[in-house]
Amino acid sequence: DVKVTQSSRYLVKRTGEKVFLECVQDMDHENMFWYRQDPGLGLRLIYFSYDVKMKEKGDIPEGYSVSREKKERFSLILESASTNQTSMYLCASSSLASGDTQYFGPGTRLTVL
Amino acid sequence: AQSVAQPEDQVNVAEGNPLTVKCTYSVSGNPYLFWYVQYPNRGLQFLLKYITGDNLVKGSYGFEAEFNKSQTSFHLKKPSALVSDSALYFCAVSSDPYNTDKLIFGTGTRLQVFP
Repeated sequence: DVKVTQSSRYLVKRTGEKVFLECVQDMDHENMFWYRQDPGLGLRLIYFSYDVKMKEKGDIPEGYSVSREKKERFSLILESASTNQTSMYLCASSSLASGDTQYFGPGTRLTVL
Repeated sequence: AQSVAQPEDQVNVAEGNPLTVKCTYSVSGNPYLFWYVQYPNRGLQFLLKYITGDNLVKGSYGFEAEFNKSQTSFHLKKPSALVSDSALYFCAVSSDPYNTDKLIFGTGTRLQVFP
């Protein structure tokens, strides 16, 4: 089974702090994604990556950056956290071998005070 | 612009009755359509997808969905609902025909199945 893990289930940070959210997948997938999930808005794509050291902006990249130094790991960085970044963050991975189906991690609920 | 709509925030159904969760889409070119389910405090799980071929797609846990090109719809169905089907359901469509991975998600529909 594909396994996508995220470093924290719950995280509380203060405004202005630098925040790192880590995501690791164990199926050698080429593609990795970061979404945020908010009530009434569904999932919105923040950033994605099709290969190591490669990144592309999604629909709402402002205030975020990403890093993919290794194929299995995709990090989301909030350079200076703000209260409007309080949300559920979901990581996903996929590959051609998975038929382009995205597999999701359990999510990190981030609260910025 | 590509988009997907789930017109119902919540659907209530009695256990044993058939259920339908609605989804309509708008894309240029051929649509690639997906359904995901999210149980409480869990990530999203893949249910089924339509890429091409038979309009009726069967997926996990007894769910199925019918692709209707003329109505631009991809409704999720199950003949007999279970209480354990209660969850949040998301429809998604590919926004890029050359990269089926890049998905646009609907706002979600909460399914409540009552005993």
